[in-house]
Amino acid sequence: DSGVTQTPKHLITATGQRVTLRCSPRSGDLSVYWYQQSLDQGLQFLIQYYNGEERAKGNILERFSAQQFPDLHSELNLSSLELGDSALYFCASSPSGGAGELFFGEGSRLTVL
Amino acid sequence: GEDVEQSLFLSVREGDSSVINCTYTDSSSTYLYWYKQEPGAGLQLLTYIFSNMDMKQDQRLTVLLNKKDKHLSLRIADTQTGDSAIYFCAEQGSNYQLIWGAGTKLIIKP
Repeated sequence: DSGVTQTPKHLITATGQRVTLRCSPRSGDLSVYWYQQSLDQGLQFLIQYYNGEERAKGNILERFSAQQFPDLHSELNLSSLELGDSALYFCASSPSGGAGELFFGEGSRLTVL
Repeated sequence: GEDVEQSLFLSVREGDSSVINCTYTDSSSTYLYWYKQEPGAGLQLLTYIFSNMDMKQDQRLTVLLNKKDKHLSLRIADTQTGDSAIYFCAEQGSNYQLIWGAGTKLIIKP
C-alpha cells in the first residue's frame, strides 16, 4: 500500500460527458502528479501541483483541468470526453516539489463508450 | 529533446537472469530510476542510482550505469514468476521532472 488513494477505481461513461477523478496523497506529501497511461502512448505526465500551486505542466489537453485543495487532495477534471480518453489515470505524490521517489496510487480506469 | 528509450518486451526462463536496458539523452541527469508496475497496480520505485555511481546492488537487483554511452541497465538475478511486471526506466530531467521510458514487459517462461 503506497498510501495514495484514488477514487473511483473504475468509471464508464459516454462521449461528451465530464468526469472528476480524486486523489488523496500520502500523509505529509505536498506534491501531487497526474499521469495518463494508455496502451498506445505509454505513461504520459499531465500536471503537477505543489502545496496548492501548479508546478509543472505536461501533455495535458485543454479539455482537462486539475486543482489541489488546501487539504492537499487533488482532483482531475476531464470534460467533453472522447473515445481516445479511455485510459488508466494515475495520481502520484512526493514529499518535495522536485521529482524523486514518487508514490503511485492504484489508478482510476476510465472507459469512454 | 530529452528522451528515454527501452525495449517493449523481454522474455526469460524462470531461474535465469533478466537484463532490462534503457538509454537516455540528458547527460545532466542526477538520478536515474527503475520503477516496477505489477498487473493491475500502480508503479512502485524499485531502485535508483545517482549519476556519479557506476553500479548499485541490492539483493537480486544490480543497476549498471554507463554515463559515456548514456546507458542504464537493470539485472534481476534468479528471475521468478513474481518478477513478471512492466519495468520503467526514468531520468530526472533538467526541470526536475521525471522523463519516462515506455516500459519493458518482462515475461517469465516456466
